[in-house]
Amino acid sequence: KNQVEQSPQSLIILEGKNCTLQCNYTVSPFSNLRWYKQDTGRGPVSLTIMTFSENTKSNGRYTATLDADTKQSSLHITASQLSDSASYICVVSRQPNQAGTALIFGKGTTLSVSS
Amino acid sequence: VTQNPRYLITVTGKKLTVTCSQNMNHEYMSWYRQDPGMGLRLIHYSVGAGITDQGEVPNGYNVSRSTTEDFPLRLLSAAPSQTSVYFCASSQGLAGVWTGELFFGEGSRLTVL
Repeated sequence: KNQVEQSPQSLIILEGKNCTLQCNYTVSPFSNLRWYKQDTGRGPVSLTIMTFSENTKSNGRYTATLDADTKQSSLHITASQLSDSASYICVVSRQPNQAGTALIFGKGTTLSVSS
Repeated sequence: VTQNPRYLITVTGKKLTVTCSQNMNHEYMSWYRQDPGMGLRLIHYSVGAGITDQGEVPNGYNVSRSTTEDFPLRLLSAAPSQTSVYFCASSQGLAGVWTGELFFGEGSRLTVL
């Protein structure tokens, strides 16, 4: 069964600290993996995309990794800020890389950054 | 992606429509509902004008795609179980290269009493 599991479900950290969010998937055949950030009361926005051949990709203070062998991805946030408080959703695309039911969503990790 | 209304309270049995429009000329449009602990679940999607298909949770919902820009979601007879936050999303491309990035609207919070 195609599934995406995220951990932890929620996380509270102090401003300035680092954190890592995990995404494990059993989606096959794999096409790509995308991390979205969803601020409270807003729609999700894409942070980064990881394809099969990519191991690491950075977007400012966000760094995503992908291990296609173990089917795991992580999102590392460096020097957290209050604005990082949000839900982070992992979405995996199945091949063929098309729309609709090819996208498998994780349930998200809720991050709270406190001062 | 623009969806309206952002907030709506209705009663059981009422018919209602949530509109969605995009001006990016995206071929793909979709509707999701988001419930606590459930994540985003696909209701219906469309790969182009005149073409729609069911997602994971289509029962009680109806869609149509008469133009590339618009993709309204209709609740035929609202039920309390349809209380949720609804997101419209669009994406570029279909056959061939498609990155899969979804562009979401801001969401429509629906309460059915």
